[in-house]
Amino acid sequence: GESVGLHLPTLSVQEGDNSIINCAYSNSASDYFIWYKQESGKGPQFIIDIRSNMDKRQGQRVTVLLNKTVKHLSLQIAATQPGDSAVYFCAEGENYGQNFVFGPGTRLSVLP
Amino acid sequence: KAGVTQTPRYLIKTRGQQVTLSCSPISGHRSVSWYQQTPGQGLQFLFEYFSETQRNKGNFPGRFSGRQFSNSRSEMNVSTLELGDSALYLCASSPGLAGGPTGETQYFGPGTRLLVL
Repeated sequence: GESVGLHLPTLSVQEGDNSIINCAYSNSASDYFIWYKQESGKGPQFIIDIRSNMDKRQGQRVTVLLNKTVKHLSLQIAATQPGDSAVYFCAEGENYGQNFVFGPGTRLSVLP
Repeated sequence: KAGVTQTPRYLIKTRGQQVTLSCSPISGHRSVSWYQQTPGQGLQFLFEYFSETQRNKGNFPGRFSGRQFSNSRSEMNVSTLELGDSALYLCASSPGLAGGPTGETQYFGPGTRLLVL
């Protein structure tokens, strides 16, 4: 499949373990944040989002944590599965959805 | 419900040429956004169209342009191609609700891989 990024940081985790993917954002005025998953040969797929008035939001097997003080966002994936192997991007935006700015991405590799 | 479709999926052009890429949004979606994805710069917003009008624009030169038709299908055009325009061009559609697209309402297509030689 197509390579999304040739020199992305890579996180390797054992199947069944929890994964934590981090993202630092740059704009203190950003009030909306999204995590995407991109598999080889496909476009980004929405995972979970969070607004700046929240610190934590949970989905199915995923949790997003937002620390506005240090402009840091993290995605936690519980019980990581082989199907979770992909590149994960964070995105930030002002005014709830205008002109998203994307992070560089992290490649998650799930080991059997 | 069919997803976002983009044509062509792969394209090879030479410097100085122009190229037109097409995007068909999900039925009923009125907003189409375009993004460029490269290994060096990552994913960058190009522009968004809603009801045949450009509603938002990223920071790209005027060589990059787009349009939207009355059926919400969109095209983007890149004129005078440069080597650095080689990228995956992604289109995303959303319903077009007030306030712009959100992560949950925006669906990406598979992209068009453009190689400029």
